[in-house]
Amino acid sequence: IAGITQAPTSQILAAGRRMTLRCTQDMRHNAMYWYRQDLGLGLRLIHYSNTAGTTGKGEVPDGYSVSRANTDDFPLTLASAVPSQTSVYFCASSDSRGGPDTQYFGPGTRLTVL
Amino acid sequence: GQNIDQPTEMTATEGAIVQINCTYQTSGFNGLFWYQQHAGEAPTFLSYNVLDGLEEKGRFSSFLSRSKGYSYLLLKELQMKDSASYLCAALDSNYQLIWGAGTKLIIKP
Repeated sequence: IAGITQAPTSQILAAGRRMTLRCTQDMRHNAMYWYRQDLGLGLRLIHYSNTAGTTGKGEVPDGYSVSRANTDDFPLTLASAVPSQTSVYFCASSDSRGGPDTQYFGPGTRLTVL
Repeated sequence: GQNIDQPTEMTATEGAIVQINCTYQTSGFNGLFWYQQHAGEAPTFLSYNVLDGLEEKGRFSSFLSRSKGYSYLLLKELQMKDSASYLCAALDSNYQLIWGAGTKLIIKP
């Protein structure tokens, strides 16, 4: 069982370029999330999806977009990258239909925008 | 506003006990999570509390007081592999997780 996979593991990107971070889960979880983690700050929610076909904005959505065409995949797109988007990005999923809604995280993507 | 406070860093000795505190202020409350995160890795789930009291799970225990907006994570018989950051997160009324910045725990031999 793979759980959640993310790609790429790391990326260096020129400012102004478009970039899509990929996230796939095989746990059939209904909810998925994208966070960014910066030194000294807590995890900050970018976008989320409670079920396939729906998405919502988190705390820091500007400059990012997501789609949820099916249960397993939840890509995050930076339309025109800026240096302030340099961060570690984590995808997570949960089965929010019952229980404590524990989130399970992918290994992360380390993104540097120059 | 919503806020989670936890110490930035703590140091403890191998074999000892350490308590990591967390206070929270959220719009509504649906539970308190603790996660462990080793350097360069993803957070992994440790515990969940929604009722007052202590939940014990092996060497780790987690406590919650809803009336005080307070939780702690207790780690016993510390091992070097427990060196990590410990993240506190509260689930608000919209079932969104509000995360603390994490407590970096350094274990010394």
